[in-house]
Formats: sequence, structure tokens, C-alpha cells
Amino acid sequence: DGGITQSPKYLFRKEGQNVTLSCEQNLNHDAMYWYRQDPGQGLRLIYYSQIVNDFQKGDIAEGYSVSREKKESFPLTVTSAQKNPTAFYLCASSGTSLRETQYFGPGTRLLVL
Amino acid sequence: KQEVTQIPAALSVPEGENLVLNCSFTDSAIYNLQWFRQDPGKGLTSLLLIQSSQREQTSGRLNASLDKSSGRSTLYIAASQPGDSATYLCAVLNQGGKLIFGQGTELSVKP
Repeated sequence: DGGITQSPKYLFRKEGQNVTLSCEQNLNHDAMYWYRQDPGQGLRLIYYSQIVNDFQKGDIAEGYSVSREKKESFPLTVTSAQKNPTAFYLCASSGTSLRETQYFGPGTRLLVL
Repeated sequence: KQEVTQIPAALSVPEGENLVLNCSFTDSAIYNLQWFRQDPGKGLTSLLLIQSSQREQTSGRLNASLDKSSGRSTLYIAASQPGDSATYLCAVLNQGGKLIFGQGTELSVKP
């Protein structure tokens, strides 16, 4: 099956801890994205990557970091600098052109202990 | 700065009704507009994509229209079913290549 997988489904973070959310795709897409969704709100772009070894900040990048060492993987680290990390995190991917449809993963819900 | 607004925030209808969801955006310089469906606790599924040069797109019981000059789009759902219950999100792709989302309309179709 082609698609995007995210793990874990639920993640708990302790105060001062860095946590990493996984996103993998086997669609052979060049571009990958990370979004944050808060209750009753639309999605906001955290980071995106159009090609391996390159990524750009989105609208709310503070407190987050990413890497793009492989085409199929785009992990997101929520650092201790992110003071309000509780949210639903969605990963997406698309073809080479930014105009192409984005396909979304099932999401990871991050909760703070 | 592009802003996308969806009205209403929530909608409850009896099964079988035809309904319209609204989306408005402030900057008409867009590449395309998409409607997505999101089930509770799940990711997004793309329903319809309308390129900026198009006026509408249809898929089964769904029809989406785009009036770029007035900054409006509508999603029409015919003969609604309980399985249509979900949150519907509208998003525009701006000139910088970023998707800007509305806050969604939560639809409940009662049997």
C-alpha cells in the first residue's frame, strides 16, 4: 500500500524533554510538510522540505526542528523551547511542484504530562 | 496576509438534505483551492481541488465552486448521509506555494 505513516499515534512529553515524531512516505514524493492543528482551528505550517537535505521554516517554526536525510523520511522534533506543544501533528507529502495535491498521514497527538 | 474563513463553524442537518458549506479568502492571488474531509482524530482526505482557472469541480454527490474575484468557494453536498458527518476544511494554495487553511466546518448528519 502506498501512503504516509506517522508514529506514534499518541506521544507524551515531560517538562523539558525533547520528543521526535516520525513521518515516512512511500509515494516517491519530493516535498514533505509538517502541520500543527489545535482544537477548532485549521492547520498551521511548521516546516516543509522540497528536496532531500533542504528544508524551510513555516509560519510557526519556533520550538521545532526537522531533518531530511532521506527522501522518504521527515522527522519532527518538538524541543523543550516549545512551551505549548499539546496539539495534533499532521505530516503531508506532495510531488515536485508545490501546486500538487498534498497527501496527509493519520497524525500524532502530543500531550504534556 | 492570506486569511481563510469558513462559515458556519458547525452544522447539523437531517439525513437527505442538500447543504452548502462556505469558504472565503482575502487574497485572490491563489494557485488553487482544495476541500478536505477530516474524521475525528484522523488525517485529512482531499475531496476536490479547483485550479485558479476553473469555476467548479464535481465528484459524486459533491460539487465545489470557485469565484476567485470575490474570494469565495462553496462545497455543495447533495442528499446528505450520516456517513458524511466529519469536519470539512477549505485551503488555498497561495503564490508562495503554501497551503492556508480555514478553521473548518463540523458537519453532523442525523439519521
